[in-house]
Amino acid sequence: GESVGLHLPTLSVQEGDNSIINCAYSNSASDYFIWYKQESGKGPQFIIDIRSNMDKRQGQRVTVLLNKTVKHLSLQIAATQPGDSAVYFCAENMIGYSTLTFGKGTMLLVSP
Amino acid sequence: KAGVTQTPRYLIKTRGQQVTLSCSPISGHRSVSWYQQTPGQGLQFLFEYFSETQRNKGNFPGRFSGRQFSNSRSEMNVSTLELGDSALYLCASSQTPNTEAFFGQGTRLTVV
Repeated sequence: GESVGLHLPTLSVQEGDNSIINCAYSNSASDYFIWYKQESGKGPQFIIDIRSNMDKRQGQRVTVLLNKTVKHLSLQIAATQPGDSAVYFCAENMIGYSTLTFGKGTMLLVSP
Repeated sequence: KAGVTQTPRYLIKTRGQQVTLSCSPISGHRSVSWYQQTPGQGLQFLFEYFSETQRNKGNFPGRFSGRQFSNSRSEMNVSTLELGDSALYLCASSQTPNTEAFFGQGTRLTVV
């Protein structure tokens, strides 16, 4: 498949473990944050989002935490599965703009 | 409901040529954004359109242009292609700016 990035930080976990992927964002004026998953040869797939008036949001097996004080975002994946193997990107934007600023990405490798 | 559709999926062009890429957003979505993805630079914003108007443009040379039609479909054009334009070009659609954005599979452009 096509590579979506070289020299990415990599997180290797065993199937069933919980995974935590971190992201530092750059703009203190950003108020909307999204996590995307990108598999080889595909476009980014929306996972979960959070607005700046929240510090935690949960989805199915995923939780996003937002710490505005230190401009930090994390994605927690519970009971990680081999199908979760992909590159994960955080993205930020400001009210009224669809322009997303993406982080460099983290490659998650899940071993059976 | 159909997702974001990008055509063509793959393109090979020669330096100096021009190329047009197409994006059909999710039905009902009026906001379309374009991104360039390369291994070295990651995902970079190109332009954003809403209701046929370009709302925002990224830091790319004037060889990169785009437009949006009344049915919200969008095209981007790159003229006088350079080797460095080789990339995955991604289109994302959302109902309005600053709402959940969904990506297409992308167009893989190779310039030789």
